[in-house]
Amino acid sequence: EAQVTQNPRYLITVTGKKLTVTCSQNMNHEYMSWYRQDPGLGLRQIYYSMNVEVTDKGDVPEGYKVSRKEKRNFPLILESPSPNQTSLYFCASKWDQRNTEAFFGQGTRLTVV
Amino acid sequence: KNQVEQSPQSLIILEGKNCTLQCNYTVSPFSNLRWYKQDTGRGPVSLTIMTFSENTKSNGRYTATLDADTKQSSLHITASQLSDSASYICVVTNNDMRFGAGTRLTVKP
Repeated sequence: EAQVTQNPRYLITVTGKKLTVTCSQNMNHEYMSWYRQDPGLGLRQIYYSMNVEVTDKGDVPEGYKVSRKEKRNFPLILESPSPNQTSLYFCASKWDQRNTEAFFGQGTRLTVV
Repeated sequence: KNQVEQSPQSLIILEGKNCTLQCNYTVSPFSNLRWYKQDTGRGPVSLTIMTFSENTKSNGRYTATLDADTKQSSLHITASQLSDSASYICVVTNNDMRFGAGTRLTVKP
């Protein structure tokens, strides 16, 4: 089954404690991206990757890091989480940057206290 | 200002009724427009895609329209069901995807 898998689904952490949210896709997609979703706002892109070892900032990259060492995996790293990073996070993948359908993971609800 | 504006923010209808959701965008140039359905606690799933030359497209009880001149799209849901309760997100693509904030639809029995 074609899917994007995120882990964990839920996470509560304390300010400053480094964390990683994993994302894996099994569709051999070149393009992967991370979004955060906050009430009243559309999904906002954090980082994206057009292929292995190619990553770039989205609209709200501050406080986040990513890596793309393999095609299927695109982890999101918060080196020093802060309460304003409390949000619902989605990983997505698609064949390429334009004109294609994005497949989303189930989401990770992160709370930073 | 968001380049993709959706209305209404939320909507409550009775089961079996029809409804129409609106999307206005300023994204340019325009590549395509998709409507996504997002069930609570899940990621968005694509319902329809429309390109510049298409005016209307149906997917079962969902019908999307596009007016590229006025930069407006609508999603019409016919004979609503309880399972239609979800957020509906309009996404416009040029070089990348631009998301609306969504319309939260609640269908009540």
